[in-house]
Amino acid sequence: AQSVTQLDSQVPVFEEAPVELRCNYSSSVSVYLFWYVQYPNQGLQLLLKYLSGSTLVKGINGFEAEFNKSQTSFHLRKPSVHISDTAEYFCAVSRGFGNEKLTFGTGTRLTIIP
Amino acid sequence: GAVVSQHPSWVICKSGTSVKIECRSLDFQATTMFWYRQFPKQSLMLMATSNEGSKATYEQGVEKDKFLINHASLTLSTLTVTSAHPEDSSFYICSARDRSDNWGTQYFGPGTRLLVL
Repeated sequence: AQSVTQLDSQVPVFEEAPVELRCNYSSSVSVYLFWYVQYPNQGLQLLLKYLSGSTLVKGINGFEAEFNKSQTSFHLRKPSVHISDTAEYFCAVSRGFGNEKLTFGTGTRLTIIP
Repeated sequence: GAVVSQHPSWVICKSGTSVKIECRSLDFQATTMFWYRQFPKQSLMLMATSNEGSKATYEQGVEKDKFLINHASLTLSTLTVTSAHPEDSSFYICSARDRSDNWGTQYFGPGTRLLVL
């Protein structure tokens, strides 16, 4: 079984400052990793995903994440945040093709301070 | 591309009634759809996996007779909450796996907020 830990439940950041949202996972097999964003009262939108290949993954809205196998981490970063980035961010893991069940972390609420 | 819709977006019902929620993949075919439940300020919990043309697979602790799932076509799955009670009030979100996506990426619907009085 796999699990996902998001170490920070809330992250306040000033506008135009950089941000890193942390995600660690545990699994006995290779996994696929995802970051989703949820705006208030909405469903989830895929930000980016790591399937294989380059460990630095670029996503939408200027976000990127780096897969670190030795540290079992997949932290999400953005060099300069905007007010519109205020949302809940979920890290998720799956075992991939043929077993697509997603296991989600508990989420990190990112609040951008003007 | 990869748009998933849910209907209704919100519903209020009386205790004891049944509520049906639809999940549609608008521009792709989905052999597999997933139903999640999200309580306020919590993460998503997978309820069941719905496969087109076969019975749904429920997660441990989810009552299959209470949460009826039907996946009659490659673009539509429905979740029926039978004899709803106030404790069933929640945000229900579906996702769909693109049949042509080899990597199993799930695309999520906007969610349905259910309030049972």
